[in-house]
Amino acid sequence: QQQVKQSPQSLIVQKGGISIINCAYENTAFDYFPWYQQFPGKGPALLIAIRPDVSEKKEGRFTISFNKSAKQFSLHIMDSQPGDSATYFCAAIPSGATNKLIFGTGTLLAVQP
Amino acid sequence: NAGVTQTPKFRILKIGQSMTLQCTQDMNHNYMYWYRQDPGMGLKLIYYSVGAGITDKGEVPNGYNVSRSTTEDFPLRLELAAPSQTSVYFCASSLRQHRYGYTFGSGTRLTVV
Repeated sequence: QQQVKQSPQSLIVQKGGISIINCAYENTAFDYFPWYQQFPGKGPALLIAIRPDVSEKKEGRFTISFNKSAKQFSLHIMDSQPGDSATYFCAAIPSGATNKLIFGTGTLLAVQP
Repeated sequence: NAGVTQTPKFRILKIGQSMTLQCTQDMNHNYMYWYRQDPGMGLKLIYYSVGAGITDKGEVPNGYNVSRSTTEDFPLRLELAAPSQTSVYFCASSLRQHRYGYTFGSGTRLTVV
């Protein structure tokens, strides 16, 4: 079974701090690594994504770092704000998998004012 | 533009009852998916479809059925509901290209008692 492991399960960060969420994948080759953000009562929404031939991608305060040899990737949220409080899911699309997403287990982020 | 619309938002079923979760999208996306979300478990793929008339099983298909008679609609059928099917169900749609990500509906919270 293809897996994406995510940690930590929950995270508390002070306003202005850096939030870091880590994911690791196993075995299979993957084509794409998106991160999704989910607010309570809502469906997940695409936040940022990276291809495996890129080591880092930055969009505003959000950065993905990708380490292909270690099969790990992480999300960094710089200058974290209370409005960033949400559940974050890493995900991966296996090669040739018809765009099917495999999700990590999620990280509940709380940014304290 | 409504995106992905799911109905109902909440439902309580008795063990052994059946129901259909409705999902419709107005973005002309060929790909559609059903996920279930359980606490601490992330999102698990139930069924997916790459176009009208074509469906396939995901990771956790047992106890569910789907159909895709039109591009817009992708209903999920629960037969003989069981407590293990208590979950939040999300429908999503996408284009073929990974970079556009999934568009999720707002979910259906189902409780089987």
